[in-house]
Amino acid sequence: AQKVTQAQTEISVVEKEDVTLDCVYETRDTTYYLFWYKQPPSGELVFLIRRNSFDEQNEISGRYSWNFQKSTSSFNFTITASQVVDSAVYFCALSEVNYGGSQGNLIFGKGTKLSVKP
Amino acid sequence: GAGVSQSPSNKVTEKGKDVELRCDPISGHTALYWYRQSLGQGLEFLIYFQGNSAPDKSGLPSDRFSAERTGGSVSTLTIQRTQQEDSAVYLCASSLLADEQFFGPGTRLTVL
Repeated sequence: AQKVTQAQTEISVVEKEDVTLDCVYETRDTTYYLFWYKQPPSGELVFLIRRNSFDEQNEISGRYSWNFQKSTSSFNFTITASQVVDSAVYFCALSEVNYGGSQGNLIFGKGTKLSVKP
Repeated sequence: GAGVSQSPSNKVTEKGKDVELRCDPISGHTALYWYRQSLGQGLEFLIYFQGNSAPDKSGLPSDRFSAERTGGSVSTLTIQRTQQEDSAVYLCASSLLADEQFFGPGTRLTVL
């Protein structure tokens, strides 16, 4: 069975601190996708990143970076120099790859609520 | 360009009534997904459409829930004889075949 665990329920940091959100996943598939989504107070889920299971290269996008390690089944997300606007609930998710390459449904973790204080 | 839209944004209904929730995906997106988000259960998958067919209905919680998609575009999620435990935010997402899913703003359903 597929499962995503985000052990940190809530994190509170002060602006400009770095913060890492942890994500551990379980799957028997050899090919899968991993995702991070952001849900700000407005409620809409915003796509941040997708990684293919064959691509373990870390990725950096501005203040955001992602560390994918298959050996530990982890896909952690780091925000550098956090800002108040980063306050949101962050979800890690996993999906299988269907026959033909289409993406399956998303299995979400419970989310981590990040509060960045000024 | 236009994103995924959902209507209504809020729906309050009485226990036992039927409700219909609508999703307009991004134009050209062949895949459409329904999820629901509740405090107790987090984000749960309900059903997936590829075109007009639903190859995966495994997440529908009971036979009171059904969904259809017409013209490879608009989808309607119907909940019959609503119960209080159906109260949640119902989210729709769409994607191209193998691309990331983009979510709509959701419909907040409250069953009194």
